[in-house]
Amino acid sequence: GAGVSQSPSNKVTEKGKDVELRCDPISGHTALYWYRQSLGQGLEFLIYFQGNSAPDKSGLPSDRFSAERTGGSVSTLTIQRTQQEDSAVYLCAAQRGGFTDTQYFGPGTRLTVL
Amino acid sequence: RKEVEQDPGPFNVPEGATVAFNCTYSNSASQSFFWYRQDCRKEPKLLMSVYSSGNEDGRFTAQLNRASQYISLLIRDSKLSDSATYLCVVKLTSNYQLIWGAGTKLIIKP
Repeated sequence: GAGVSQSPSNKVTEKGKDVELRCDPISGHTALYWYRQSLGQGLEFLIYFQGNSAPDKSGLPSDRFSAERTGGSVSTLTIQRTQQEDSAVYLCAAQRGGFTDTQYFGPGTRLTVL
Repeated sequence: RKEVEQDPGPFNVPEGATVAFNCTYSNSASQSFFWYRQDCRKEPKLLMSVYSSGNEDGRFTAQLNRASQYISLLIRDSKLSDSATYLCVVKLTSNYQLIWGAGTKLIIKP
């Protein structure tokens, strides 16, 4: 597609439920990042995928968080047993590949855990 | 101490004025620097990269001071549409990760 898309745009869930967030990056952009942004805060790195390499999961805050990227394209971020502190905007960014390349962001998924 | 620090603002500036804000970074191994703009409830978008010699893009000028470990953004002849949060971003030499500041909120008033 022309840009990065994410779904759903908004998700309200109850504490303890699992949620799955989806990112559809720009075709041909081999690098994909997931970030989390809490209100009034900067972006917090979660996970990074680059081509077929093993992902860098060093930013995942707990083992309740996991992510996959199938076929080097679509990625899903799964949060199990959601907690209220998981409430944030989850942003996906695609990058063509070079370290200094621009990151193109999707519109984000606003997650609210009640 | 945060790796990338910014004054959260808000900076309230009259239209047409010049405004500047700084961003400091703690890791001297930082290699690449960027300013992103984020509108309210929108995703960040690249405003400009920051080069060692400083660079200008229209009304926007970015400067890097490696000795003091800060970057700056200057906006001249500010427009109402410049109202946004400006995020400072730093990349380490040895890592592909970007370290993001929390942003400086700018409000341009008519």
